[in-house]
Amino acid sequence: EVQLLESGGGLVQPGGSLRLSCAASGFTFSTFVMSWVRQAPGKGLEWVSGIRHSGDATYYADSVKGRFTISRDNSRNTLDLQMNSLRAEDTAVYYCAKHNGYDGLDYWGQGTLVTVSS
Amino acid sequence: DVQMTQSPSSLSASVGDRVTIACRASQTISNYLNWYQQKPGKAPKLLIYAASNLQSGVPSRFSGSGSGTDFTLTISNLQPEDFATYYCQQSYSSPDTFGQGTKLEI
Repeated sequence: EVQLLESGGGLVQPGGSLRLSCAASGFTFSTFVMSWVRQAPGKGLEWVSGIRHSGDATYYADSVKGRFTISRDNSRNTLDLQMNSLRAEDTAVYYCAKHNGYDGLDYWGQGTLVTVSS
Repeated sequence: DVQMTQSPSSLSASVGDRVTIACRASQTISNYLNWYQQKPGKAPKLLIYAASNLQSGVPSRFSGSGSGTDFTLTISNLQPEDFATYYCQQSYSSPDTFGQGTKLEI
């Protein structure tokens, strides 16, 4: 059974940093593209960042480029999102998601809430 | 960036109805279009990938069509569990962008 379990969310002050992690199991992690998607309270979905299966290419939404860094450790089956210079508008539930080979996101974690507030 | 526009933003329907949700891309995206269903407090669920392919385990009353810039999600014979918010997403070019969502209400 595929499982994605996010951790690391919490309350952080504007300008602060936070590192999210996603522990993957139930599939061959090293062969799939992975992404982070977020959802601000009461709002729609926003794709944040993606990383190729080997980690050799990364992609970012314009809203987080230069502040967030996605990475993966295929030996530990983990996906991370380092978030720096956080802003109030980064407040959201952050989901880690697995791509299905056709770039649909076929498995999602339960999400972790990040709140940026003083 | 490719902009995705869904219509309508909200939709009222009844059990047994057939409904269609439209999604338009700001530029051609071939068939790199996915559809998701999201219920309150839950993670999204993939329904359709590559415009018209039904994800495993999804009921056949869900179908998708389109290519280029215009796409549709059709739900036939609406069931009570189908009342949710639906999102389209393009995966043709990074950043992968979502539509604003369509809330399907009873």
